[in-house]
Amino acid sequence: NAGVMQNPRHLVRRRGQEARLRCSPMKGHSHVYWYRQLPEEGLKFMVYLQKENIIDESGMPKERFSAEFPKEGPSILRIQQVVRGDSAAYFCASSPPRGQGEKLFFGSGTQLSVL
Amino acid sequence: GENVEQHPSTLSVQEGDSAVIKCTYSDSASNYFPWYKQELGKRPQLIIDIRSNVGEKKDQRIAVTLNKTAKHFSLHITETQPEDSAVYFCAASLNFGNEKLTFGTGTRLTIIP
Repeated sequence: NAGVMQNPRHLVRRRGQEARLRCSPMKGHSHVYWYRQLPEEGLKFMVYLQKENIIDESGMPKERFSAEFPKEGPSILRIQQVVRGDSAAYFCASSPPRGQGEKLFFGSGTQLSVL
Repeated sequence: GENVEQHPSTLSVQEGDSAVIKCTYSDSASNYFPWYKQELGKRPQLIIDIRSNVGEKKDQRIAVTLNKTAKHFSLHITETQPEDSAVYFCAASLNFGNEKLTFGTGTRLTIIP
């Protein structure tokens, strides 16, 4: 089991560009979560998805941010027209279906730097 | 929504001594409380967790206690070692984890050799 895979590990964008962050959950996991971590701060919840469904997006900024978890392929966190304040580490986590264990496992994160 | 507070923000202890980190939560419906360890530049790693139907759980040098009435839970590390130095985060969620985790702000633990 390869664990939660995120890519890229580091992403540099200029202001106004788009950033796409990818996350492949652990094998057998059907729940994906995205968190953002600013330097010296805790993890802030952004969005919770299951295959083809957004379950909770209460932590997502209303503009420029979107997330998907298609039937096939990884989950994608997309940030349009990035600004310097978007610079952060973005962590994806996955967990098994409900009733099969509650533990959340994190990927290694994507460090986004906006110039 | 849930709010989790964590104290202290920094903690230094002599190697071999014990370290205690405390968290409080606001939503009495929360029922799952994991602790994560994060080393610099790395992913948060689950080190121990507790469910609301249990008051205490231990795994070797690490233990967690939960007081549902007071809505607080604590991480205890005994016989600390240099490799315990890291940032530790507490968290809380509903539905035993298959909902979003709300994290505390973290405790930077430094073990002094």
